[in-house]
Amino acid sequence: DIQMTQSPASLSASLGETVTIECRASEDIYNGLAWYQQKPGKSPQLLIYNANSLHTGVPSRFSGSGSGTQYSLKINSLQSEDVASYFCQQYYNYPTFGGGTKLELK
Amino acid sequence: QVQLEESGPGLMQPSETLSLTCTVSGFSLTSNGVGWVRQPLGKGLVWMGTIWAGGSTNYNSAVQSRLSISRDTSKSQVFLKMNSLQPEDTGTYYCARHERDNQGGYVMDAWGQGASVTVSS
Repeated sequence: DIQMTQSPASLSASLGETVTIECRASEDIYNGLAWYQQKPGKSPQLLIYNANSLHTGVPSRFSGSGSGTQYSLKINSLQSEDVASYFCQQYYNYPTFGGGTKLELK
Repeated sequence: QVQLEESGPGLMQPSETLSLTCTVSGFSLTSNGVGWVRQPLGKGLVWMGTIWAGGSTNYNSAVQSRLSISRDTSKSQVFLKMNSLQPEDTGTYYCARHERDNQGGYVMDAWGQGASVTVSS
């Protein structure tokens, strides 16, 4: 199985700030990487696929980058509605998820 | 629009068999795969298995011996059955649609609201 290591596990940031979440795969996943946002009591929502493609309806302040084994999610100009947990997922092989990042407001 | 809805019993006893149904609308099960993902309370996401558009299945090796995923395309329903339940199977179970991306991978792009399952005596 491909292991996904996500960091940080938690993050505190101020409104308007830019935040970055990282994900490292145990082997090359050839951009088969998605990012999800999950709010408490809700199901995960797709933000980014193909490492850098924005899913329909997702605000442009979200962006993804990376290649090979290293990927990142960036949120520009943090909004209050961005408070959530974020998960990376590789789907190059059978899907595996990172451990998640809980984003809170400072 | 694309919708998925999980249903099933909320409380199970250890050693019982869990049966969950995912009813989909807005797409065809013969065009898209549907996967199941489990999330223990307050923890991360674990893919359990997928039934693909052609009807083939793949399972997470950790639960493969206990898990079966099937479907009824005429009713737009996907079924999960897992036997020999243990308390560690407690969590929220999601079904999600697999959609082909522009590089040939299958991303989970739409999710149900989840079904909460508690395994306890």
